[in-house]
Amino acid sequence: QSALTQPRSVSGSPGQSVAISCTGSSSDVGGYDYVSWYQQPPGEGPKLVIYDVHKRPSGVPDRFSGSKSGNTASLTISGLQAEDEADYYCCSAAGDYVMVFGGGTKVTV
Amino acid sequence: EVQLVESGGGLVQPGGSLRVSCAASGFSFSDFWMTWVRQAPGMGLEWVANINKDGSQKNYVDSVKGRFTISRDNARKSVYLQMNSLRGEDTALYYCARWGSGWGWDFWGQGSLVTVSS
Repeated sequence: QSALTQPRSVSGSPGQSVAISCTGSSSDVGGYDYVSWYQQPPGEGPKLVIYDVHKRPSGVPDRFSGSKSGNTASLTISGLQAEDEADYYCCSAAGDYVMVFGGGTKVTV
Repeated sequence: EVQLVESGGGLVQPGGSLRVSCAASGFSFSDFWMTWVRQAPGMGLEWVANINKDGSQKNYVDSVKGRFTISRDNARKSVYLQMNSLRGEDTALYYCARWGSGWGWDFWGQGSLVTVSS
């Protein structure tokens, strides 16, 4: 149950796009089509922004998109806005009803 | 409106025990798996344990197996985490979260802080 690997930080200007990678192994990200992403603004609790690798919950802007290739999942934020500044965490299945998070990525706008 | 409200956190000495609770409202509690996720100060999220709809299936991260027990009471719409043999590394904000219809936690509580220190 080792944590998935995410970059410590990414940054972009308003309107730009940023991508956050989430790298695991064939035992987690590569072995299941089960990845979700969470946004955590400073001082707040986590919020689901992507589930089932690429699906958006109701109310999440379509600027957020998810994908997966091999052992790496990705979250892309297009048209970056100031309100997107937060920590982002990926999570993957790592066995039957077992899951593992990434270490988190700080997005700076 | 879906709400998850954690309680029961506090300061406990190493080797001690504590139970945190999560009261749910605004949805049919017995229809959802529930989870505890923790976050140490200044650190990332860590999945701790989950429990299925009727409480018959429970899963834990390796670091808490044999020390923590997750349970639920569907009549009271509550999920619990009993923590025994607590260690300094268990110090964290403990979040209760609902497992949604897709693969992900769609609602989270605000967390209950557990501090393990002498």
